[in-house]
Formats: sequence, C-alpha cells, structure tokens
Amino acid sequence: KNEVEQSPQNLTAQEGEFITINCSYSVGISALHWLQQHPGGGIVSLFMLSSGKKKHGRLIATINIQEKHSSLHITASHPRDSAVYICAGSQGAQKLVFGQGTRLTINP
Amino acid sequence: DTGVSQNPRHKITKRGQNVTFRCDPISEHNRLYWYRQTLGQGPEFLTYFQNEAQLEKSRLLSDRFSAERPKGSFSTLEIQRTEQGDSAMYLCASSSPRDLSSYNEQFFGPGTRLTVL
Repeated sequence: KNEVEQSPQNLTAQEGEFITINCSYSVGISALHWLQQHPGGGIVSLFMLSSGKKKHGRLIATINIQEKHSSLHITASHPRDSAVYICAGSQGAQKLVFGQGTRLTINP
Repeated sequence: DTGVSQNPRHKITKRGQNVTFRCDPISEHNRLYWYRQTLGQGPEFLTYFQNEAQLEKSRLLSDRFSAERPKGSFSTLEIQRTEQGDSAMYLCASSSPRDLSSYNEQFFGPGTRLTVL
C-alpha cells in the first residue's frame, strides 16, 4: 500500500465547476504538499500544510490531521487549470513521498 | 521558471551506454534532491544532498546509479550501462531548510527526459 493515496486518478469537468481532489496518507507523514505538473514535466509547489486550511486565489487546501486526509479544491475552474495535481507527504525532514497524481481536464 | 535548471532536457541513448545529467539548484539552497518519474506515475525519491554530503539513497538507486555534489552547488546524476527500464523523467529539486530537522518547500527543475532504446 502506498503511503500517499490520491483520488480520483482522472477528473474531467466543465469550466466553472467546483473541483475536489482527495489525498489520504499514512503515519509518519509530517506535512502535506500539493503540487501542480503541466505537460512537459515542470512541477510547481502550490501549498505546504501541516494543519488547517490555506487559500491562494481560487485554490484552497485543507488537512485533517486526525483522519490523515487532505483535499485540494478549485473554485470556478478554468481550462488553464488543466494539469496533473500531485499530493506529497514530507517523510521526516528529508524527502517527499508522492501520490500517483490526479489528471484534471477542464473543458470550455 | 523556478530558478532550478537541468541539462540536458532530453536524452536519447542506446542500451548499455552511460549518461550523465546535471542539476543547478537555486544558489543559496543547501539541500538538493533527485527524483525519478515514470509515465503516469508520481515521482519517486532517489537521493538527496545536504551541501556536498549525500545523506540518503533510495533502494531504487542501484549500483549503476551514482550522484555527486562535489562543491555543494550543482549536482550530477550518472547512470552506467543504461537499461530500457531506466527510461523516465529525472527531476531535481532544491530547498533551504533552517536546519536538518526542519522542512520547507522544494523548488523543482524542468526535468531531464531519458529514453533508452
């Protein structure tokens, strides 16, 4: 069993829809990261959180430490949000353990 | 552009050849990571450096793989006797934690895509 599990693997929605991507993680993960990867490979860090909720523009990330669960929400989705979204956990202070990624496609 | 650069961006090689990739991190970052990503999967940790010291290596890093960061700045990842299973995107990231016990955001390079024929 992977230490970080994401769902869904693929998500297609219409422009304007509210998007939720879920991430569950195991014991030993001290902080949770949400990353965005566009075609071609470049990865950008969106959020790092160990408690509560963070918001940046139309993106919101939440984490529930007791349930070991995090969600990434996108409000008023737009075709430019189409990308792979990856959840990753900090294992100790040294490295990231990644989920499989969620491929998001927003159709106009 | 995150400030982390990788070269080359693409490498096509024949099975059995050696390849070397380079990563230039953000200049003040003391921590440097290497990851490997195969198609449709999330990245997997390979190794990381704190300054010039290689502090951890994944069991994925077989004896054909070696990484160096000789002066604590740029890093190289070499794969000897490449195999078709080595075909992947090799990603580098850097960060600047306050101390060994803390953790902060990693900045990723664009990756080097390796194809082994």
